[in-house]
Amino acid sequence: QKEVEQDPGPLSVPEGAIVSLNCTYSNSAFQYFMWYRQYSRKGPELLMYTYSSGNKEDGRFTAQVDKSSKYISLFIRDSQPSDSATYLCAMWRTGRRALTFGSGTRLQVQP
Amino acid sequence: DTEVTQTPKHLVMGMTNKKSLKCEQHMGHRAMYWYKQKAKKPPELMFVYSYEKLSINESVPSRFSPECPNSSLLNLHLHALQPEDSALYLCASSQDGTRTEAFFGQGTRLTVV
Repeated sequence: QKEVEQDPGPLSVPEGAIVSLNCTYSNSAFQYFMWYRQYSRKGPELLMYTYSSGNKEDGRFTAQVDKSSKYISLFIRDSQPSDSATYLCAMWRTGRRALTFGSGTRLQVQP
Repeated sequence: DTEVTQTPKHLVMGMTNKKSLKCEQHMGHRAMYWYKQKAKKPPELMFVYSYEKLSINESVPSRFSPECPNSSLLNLHLHALQPEDSALYLCASSQDGTRTEAFFGQGTRLTVV
């Protein structure tokens, strides 16, 4: 079993929809969480960084962490075709100086 | 400024060539990373430098040789690569390598012929 599970998609939604992207993790040692957006053939771009259970909002993006359920989510409101990309969750585990990534979810927003 | 700069953007090399990838950051970060990414896969960790010392080598073949000349620079020396080493090579940095945001460069797309 992988330490971090993420549905690979693809997820196809119409423009303007609310998108929900999710990751689950198995080890409570994961304490700090990030969401990246990666366009084809480009490097990952950091969207959100959180460490507390609860919600954090930045523009159209909301990151949600539920440490009791070992579950994190990224919500995208009013999705745009330019949001079409692969979204990667990543997290720091106590005692390891390297990120652990989910497998990435490919999102397509249809005009 | 949260920029990590990688050069070159594209590289084509023969199996007998020696080349180097370069990475630079000016955020004062003390942890730097090399990742390899194949199509439709997440980044795969290769090396971690923490305070300019190699702290993690994920059993990477010796044809890949990392170097950290100072706290702002990271190199990856390539020698005698195989076609299966063709991939996107990503550099990243973070403040301390344990809990803070990590920023990635745009990558070097490497093709081995």
